[in-house]
Amino acid sequence: GAVVSQHPSWVICKSGTSVKIECRSLDFQATTMFWYRQFPKQSLMLMATSNEGSKATYEQGVEKDKFLINHASLTLSTLTVTSAHPEDSSFYICSAQRIVGDNEQFFGPGTRLTVL
Amino acid sequence: AQSVTQLDSQVPVFEEAPVELRCNYSSSVSVYLFWYVQYPNQGLQLLLKYLSGSTLVESINGFEAEFNKSQTSFHLRKPSVHISDTAEYFCAVSELGSNTGKLIFGQGTTLQVKP
Repeated sequence: GAVVSQHPSWVICKSGTSVKIECRSLDFQATTMFWYRQFPKQSLMLMATSNEGSKATYEQGVEKDKFLINHASLTLSTLTVTSAHPEDSSFYICSAQRIVGDNEQFFGPGTRLTVL
Repeated sequence: AQSVTQLDSQVPVFEEAPVELRCNYSSSVSVYLFWYVQYPNQGLQLLLKYLSGSTLVESINGFEAEFNKSQTSFHLRKPSVHISDTAEYFCAVSELGSNTGKLIFGQGTTLQVKP
């Protein structure tokens, strides 16, 4: 149990376009989902915390108008990278936390974004 | 605020040899502790976690970690590694009772198992 999926697994887009990444908890409900960014050979950087039915909480230095997060249901959160540029190219990983839990996060497989 | 330090960025080791991946943390409050493993181009998988109780925790694939409160450490060990253990390993902490559930990750350690 506790499976998290992400779609798409990879995407290539042109500079200036917007890209939406979906994160779903497949077999549990998650009031809280997290979005991370990971550069090659580096650790995960938390971008934002997403709570169902409320606005996301962004970490310092993360542009909320550029990285739009929507958490419309207990099993789905989306990250939209607006007007993407090459510097936005990265590996984006989401995670979900069960309602009744111990702070454990279940991670999705990640989405590789390449902006040309 | 919490922080996590993984002292070794890379650990090369021969197959069937023992290995220890070091993790130290800093926190003014009690924490939960986690080890995650990441294979190339994949997300993170939980390896093991310490919440409370016995300070020695084990995973199903032979890894173990011991919570040492006095040394604020949570080192990961395996007595005999396999080629398939080659991966990136992340130590993480979360504040006990936190209503945000945020995880703070270490920098990661690359375990390279050689034949």
